[in-house]
Amino acid sequence: RKEVEQDPGPFNVPEGATVAFNCTYSNSASQSFFWYRQDCRKEPKLLMSVYSSGNEDGRFTAQLNRASQYISLLIRDSKLSDSATYLCVVNAYGTSYGKLTFGQGTILTVHP
Amino acid sequence: DVKVTQSSRYLVKRTGEKVFLECVQDMDHENMFWYRQDPGLGLRLIYFSYDVKMKEKGDIPEGYSVSREKKERFSLILESASTNQTSMYLCASSPNVRTSGSGETQYFGPGTRLLVL
Repeated sequence: RKEVEQDPGPFNVPEGATVAFNCTYSNSASQSFFWYRQDCRKEPKLLMSVYSSGNEDGRFTAQLNRASQYISLLIRDSKLSDSATYLCVVNAYGTSYGKLTFGQGTILTVHP
Repeated sequence: DVKVTQSSRYLVKRTGEKVFLECVQDMDHENMFWYRQDPGLGLRLIYFSYDVKMKEKGDIPEGYSVSREKKERFSLILESASTNQTSMYLCASSPNVRTSGSGETQYFGPGTRLLVL
């Protein structure tokens, strides 16, 4: 089983749509969770951290379910500029060196 | 703003050549990482370093070595390049988790696309 699993998509949605991505992780001891965004032929960049209580940043909402080892990202009112690959990321428990494990990413295309 | 730079955006090398990929960060981060990214496989950790002269193997270290002589610089070395090392190579850095308020957030360089012929 992969440490971090995501549906690779691609998701093709019209502008204004709401889209949700899911991610599962295998290490129940993981403590930190993130969503990164990667534009085509660019480097990954942090989109948002994911907290136990859930958190929101504008049109983006992240949720964590520790019991099910499940993370989600919801994008409301999709924009053309949201087209990118979204990477689910968890920390590698047991080290303080900041080692992270990346999912293979979910591709989103928002069309007019 | 954190800045991570990589020495080349594109490289073409021949099988058997020794290849050096350099990464420099300007935020005094303790941790530095080298990944490769391939379609369908995502980012895979090759090596990381948590201090000068310290290095740890990641998930796929075979065929690679690293060097960290200065805190700001982390080099990836392909001792004898092979065609299966054709990939996108990404360097990242992050601050020490214990002393940083940003946790394990990693900051990436722009990547080097390496083609081995």
